[in-house]
Amino acid sequence: AQSVTQLDSQVPVFEEAPVELRCNYSSSVSVYLFWYVQYPNQGLQLLLKYLSGSTLVKGINGFEAEFNKSQTSFHLRKPSVHISDTAEYFCAVSEYNQGGKLIFGQGTELSVKP
Amino acid sequence: KAGVTQTPRYLIKTRGQQVTLSCSPISGHRSVSWYQQTPGQGLQFLFEYFSETQRNKGNFPGRFSGRQFSNSRSEMNVSTLELGDSALYLCASSLGPRAGSTEAFFGQGTRLTVV
Repeated sequence: AQSVTQLDSQVPVFEEAPVELRCNYSSSVSVYLFWYVQYPNQGLQLLLKYLSGSTLVKGINGFEAEFNKSQTSFHLRKPSVHISDTAEYFCAVSEYNQGGKLIFGQGTELSVKP
Repeated sequence: KAGVTQTPRYLIKTRGQQVTLSCSPISGHRSVSWYQQTPGQGLQFLFEYFSETQRNKGNFPGRFSGRQFSNSRSEMNVSTLELGDSALYLCASSLGPRAGSTEAFFGQGTRLTVV
């Protein structure tokens, strides 16, 4: 069965420092991979997605992620974070031919300190 | 282009009552999915509708049901509410049918509190 593990529940970091949010998944079939961000009392906003092709995916707000099939990972990175990046980040997968069903990780709370 | 609209934004209900939540997808989107978000269980898939048909269903009891209308608007219903149903309910729309291969746009959610 599909599952997604986000390895860190909370990541505190200072402003302008680099950050990596880790995500591992488990699936027996091909998957699509996503990172979403959620600000307080808001819905989810897509940061980036991997469907196929290049394993390095660039998203909005300076975020990027790398798909590693052998390690079944899809870690999110940003070289320099801002206070405004403080939010909860969710990694999600959907299986090929499973339509819109997304399986989410438990989330990583990114806290950027001045 | 208007985003995904969920109504109401906040709702307080009593145990045993039923509730109906509404979701209007982005114009042109034909797939609507519903998710429950709680602090303990995180984000869990409820069901997905495309062209008025349920295509996929999560592991929730039968008290949770949904439907989709011909204009792609969707409703979900929870009957015999329990305290544990308190959650943020999120709706996502996408072009479909293989919505997993396209971007899912989320609404701001309906915060349901059961007392």
